[in-house]
Amino acid sequence: SQLAEENSWALSVHEGESVTVNCSYKTSITALQWYRQKSGKGPAQLILIRSNEREKRNGRLRATLDTSSQSSSLSITATRCEDTAVYFCANTEGADRLTFGKGTQLIIQP
Amino acid sequence: DPKIIQKPKYLVAVTGSEKILICEQYLGHNAMYWYRQSAKKPLEFMFSYSYQKLMDNQTASSRFQPQSSKKNHLDLQITALKPDDSATYFCASSQETNSNERLFFGHGTKLSVL
Repeated sequence: SQLAEENSWALSVHEGESVTVNCSYKTSITALQWYRQKSGKGPAQLILIRSNEREKRNGRLRATLDTSSQSSSLSITATRCEDTAVYFCANTEGADRLTFGKGTQLIIQP
Repeated sequence: DPKIIQKPKYLVAVTGSEKILICEQYLGHNAMYWYRQSAKKPLEFMFSYSYQKLMDNQTASSRFQPQSSKKNHLDLQITALKPDDSATYFCASSQETNSNERLFFGHGTKLSVL
């Protein structure tokens, strides 16, 4: 079963617009992580938000966490073409294993 | 300048053969992992190692054998290859095996089994 799952398969916005990717998870967590994977590359972590945090920022990125609804969101403002990638949420299953969702393909159009 | 080196980047194999996927990390991390990403499935955890010792194994098949000859090496040997093994295999590392650790991934080895 999926312990973390993004809610949209694909999103497309125009450069400069804002976009939000949502994620839901099924178990209690100590932290939830957001990763981005560009074509032909490995995933790269964007933000780690701990269970006692409600919001975390990293430049143009903002992650939120709602433990009551077991959901998280990643918002990107002032999007750029280079933000085109697949975005994953991931949570821990056990101490050393990250479980990834299927990912949301985000396309930023010029 | 990649800090996690995976070799080769692409690999084509015939059914029944054996291949070794190479991974070296130069981040000074103590934990290393293998993940698999196939076309129709999410990124899947396979193995975790800490200080060269196996910590967790989620791969049902014994055909997949990780090998750690040095602290910063974690190779993956796959025997009796099947077409279903076709996937991109990612090596990753973190400072420790801890649920709050950031994972650093290599660029992957794309394996195609014919």
